[in-house]
Amino acid sequence: QVQLQESGPGLVRPSQTLSLTCTVSGDSIKGGGHYWSWIRQHPVRGLEWIGYIYSGGATYYNPSLRSRVTVSLDTARNQFSLNLTSVTAADTAMYFCVRDHLRGFSDSWGQGTLVTVSS
Amino acid sequence: EIVMTQSPATLSVSPGERVTLSCRASQSVSANLAWYQQRPGQAPRLLIYAGSTRATGIPARFSGRGFGTEFTLTISSLQSEDLATYYCQQFNNWPPASFGQGTRLEIK
Repeated sequence: QVQLQESGPGLVRPSQTLSLTCTVSGDSIKGGGHYWSWIRQHPVRGLEWIGYIYSGGATYYNPSLRSRVTVSLDTARNQFSLNLTSVTAADTAMYFCVRDHLRGFSDSWGQGTLVTVSS
Repeated sequence: EIVMTQSPATLSVSPGERVTLSCRASQSVSANLAWYQQRPGQAPRLLIYAGSTRATGIPARFSGRGFGTEFTLTISSLQSEDLATYYCQQFNNWPPASFGQGTRLEIK
């Protein structure tokens, strides 16, 4: 059974870069059977899909965040990471790493990590 | 972007009751719709995909129906552990995915 676990700072200063890592167990991120994605959840704005990376390194980002987002792979550690630059208070949210079926629905979720943007 | 609208926002229910939640898409998503359950303090969990297919381990009391723009999730006999917020998500025009705002079930 696949498990995903997010890690990273819970507090980020405005204008800085938010960096999170997802460690995957029970599945290989280089296996090619799924996309590896990030989704965030705002208290008011709800669930927002951020972007994915595929085993070969191909990525797709939500157009609303594309200019600030990078998702990368570390196949040796079976991890993938999120970088979100120039953060503001609007980026305060619970961040989830997820495994996406090739059709596009999220079949496994990490427990989530709360990131607060504040000085 | 396809906008997903769920109704109602909150539903007061009793254990044992039959519950139906609604989700509407701003344009056709064919059968490419998923439902998720999020219990308080937990991550969302996949319940239904492709409109009506239950995910692994999901009890038979959960069922999904619909095609195009109108979808429903039915819980045939509500259990206490079903008190949660339910989200629909379209994956017809994916990426990106788009989610509804959720329907929260609360005790009547």
